[in-house]
Amino acid sequence: AQTVTQSQPEMSVQEAETVTLSCTYDTSESDYYLFWYKQPPSRQMILVIRQEAYKQQNATENRFSVNFQKAAKSFSLKISDSQLGDAAMYFCAYRITQGDMRFGAGTRLTVKP
Amino acid sequence: NAGVTQTPKFRVLKTGQSMTLLCAQDMNHEYMYWYRQDPGMGLRLIHYSVGEGTTAKGEVPDGYNVSRLKKQNFLLGLESAAPSQTSVYFCASSYSSGNGGYTFGSGTRLTVV
Repeated sequence: AQTVTQSQPEMSVQEAETVTLSCTYDTSESDYYLFWYKQPPSRQMILVIRQEAYKQQNATENRFSVNFQKAAKSFSLKISDSQLGDAAMYFCAYRITQGDMRFGAGTRLTVKP
Repeated sequence: NAGVTQTPKFRVLKTGQSMTLLCAQDMNHEYMYWYRQDPGMGLRLIHYSVGEGTTAKGEVPDGYNVSRLKKQNFLLGLESAAPSQTSVYFCASSYSSGNGGYTFGSGTRLTVV
């Protein structure tokens, strides 16, 4: 079974600084997809960034980027220039084609003004 | 631009009561899912469907039933609610390929007393 581990239940960052959220996963598949979702207090799940395992280049979306290490099965999220609106729960997730998505337990990010 | 709509948003049940959660999507997605979210455990898959008339069990299916009579709707039923089913329930939908991620509903907070 595929599992996703987020080892940091809580993280804190000062506004305008950079923070990295960790995620590791376990799989025997070679072709899969990885995601980071943000869940603000509104409870809505928002897709932040995605990465295809076959792509060596790390995905980037504005202030959000990932460090994808396929051999190490690691998929960390870097948030640059943190803003108050970035405060939320962040979930790492894994999915294979035609499969369901498996989630980590989440990391609660606090942004200090 | 409705996306995925869940009803109701909140509900309080007494132990032993039954209820049905409705999920509707307007994106012509093949796949639909029901997850539950509990503190410290992320999102866990209850049941899913890969097409109209099909359903399958996920990680935590006990105590729940589902039906997908129409492609756009996916119903989650609790026949005899228990306090352990107190949770936030999310519906999601996707295309069959893995790279698209999910579109989530806004969640249902269910409390069983």
